[in-house]
Amino acid sequence: AQSVTQLDSQVPVFEEAPVELRCNYSSSVSVYLFWYVQYPNQGLQLLLKYLSGSTLVESINGFEAEFNKSQTSFHLRKPSVHISDTAEYFCAVSESQGGKLIFGQGTELSVKP
Amino acid sequence: EAGVVQSPRYKIIEKKQPVAFWCNPISGHNTLYWYLQNLGQGPELLIRYENEEAVDDSQLPKDRFSAERLKGVDSTLKIQPAELGDSAVYLCASSPRGALSYEQYFGPGTRLTVT
Repeated sequence: AQSVTQLDSQVPVFEEAPVELRCNYSSSVSVYLFWYVQYPNQGLQLLLKYLSGSTLVESINGFEAEFNKSQTSFHLRKPSVHISDTAEYFCAVSESQGGKLIFGQGTELSVKP
Repeated sequence: EAGVVQSPRYKIIEKKQPVAFWCNPISGHNTLYWYLQNLGQGPELLIRYENEEAVDDSQLPKDRFSAERLKGVDSTLKIQPAELGDSAVYLCASSPRGALSYEQYFGPGTRLTVT
């Protein structure tokens, strides 16, 4: 069965510092990997995805994630965070397009001035 | 383009009462999902529809939960009777056909409090 583990429940960081949010998954088959962001009182928004091809994927707002098959990881990074990046971040995995997403427990990123 | 619409946004009920949540997916999206999000946890799938057919309802507690998607558009999720442990956020999501079917668009959710 699939599962996703986000190793940090809370990550406090100062503005303009780098950040890494860790995600590990388990699956017996090939998977699609996602990072979603949830701002307070809003729905989840897709931040970036890995389907195939290049193992390094990027979002439009400076986040990137790297798929590492040998370590079954999909860590999210940003070299310099902003106050506006404060949100809950969820890693998710799916075994098929259109199939259900299995989410991790979430990581609360808190960016302080 | 309007996003996924859910109502109500908040609902407070007493235990043993019934409650219903409504979802209107993005126009043209044939796949609709209902997820349950407990406090401090990631969402968990309750049911997935392809058009009007429920293709995955294995995680839906069928003794008290029911769902329908008449005409393959809007969907309603019902709980009867509600229990204290049902307090959570209920999220609806939809996805299109074809190459973009991996991309699920989420509504803002309905926050249910059972007292």
